[in-house]
Amino acid sequence: GNSVTQMEGPVTLSEEAFLTINCTYTATGYPSLFWYVQYPGEGLQLLLKATKADDKGSNKGFEATYRKETTSFHLEKGSVQVSDSAVYFCALSGRGKETSGSRLTFGEGTQLTVNP
Amino acid sequence: GAVVSQHPSWVICKSGTSVKIECRSLDFQATTMFWYRQFPKQSLMLMATSNEGSKATYEQGVEKDKFLINHASLTLSTLTVTSAHPEDSSFYICSAPSRRLGTDTQYFGPGTRLTVL
Repeated sequence: GNSVTQMEGPVTLSEEAFLTINCTYTATGYPSLFWYVQYPGEGLQLLLKATKADDKGSNKGFEATYRKETTSFHLEKGSVQVSDSAVYFCALSGRGKETSGSRLTFGEGTQLTVNP
Repeated sequence: GAVVSQHPSWVICKSGTSVKIECRSLDFQATTMFWYRQFPKQSLMLMATSNEGSKATYEQGVEKDKFLINHASLTLSTLTVTSAHPEDSSFYICSAPSRRLGTDTQYFGPGTRLTVL
């Protein structure tokens, strides 16, 4: 079955530091890959996505590249801000027989705290 | 962009009562919606898939008589926690896929925090 493994947290950084959150996956076929962000007390928001190998998803300074050869989708940001403090979830959706939308498989989540 | 709402955003109830949570897609139709449960500092656990016009599909270990799901229309799914007990206290989140951005992209509601006393 599908699975997603994320780098264990929590991660604490100073403002303007470089961020990497590792994510690797196991899946059959050609899944789509996602990063979602959850701010305190809120639901999940889509941060970025990639639908095929070598695609790079990017948004708000965050980037992640779909690496089929290493089955990875690591999240990076060159300079984090205090407002980036949140929980980040890596996820994949399989392409199967579902008629509308695909089920998401989530990683464990990584808590990021950015200090001023 | 696509928006999914949930109501209520939080609810406190007494043990033994039932609580209904609504999930609405505001600017798109969703024949499928998903219900998740999230415990503090943990990931989301898929509870069930809500299907418009047919029965919900429950994940293994989720009691269908405990968590009643009704997909009343193309924009509304409800989750009813029946005879709630303190162990049902959790953060419940729904999601729906939007075809405008491809069926692989899901939009999440803001969540409902349930506290059972």
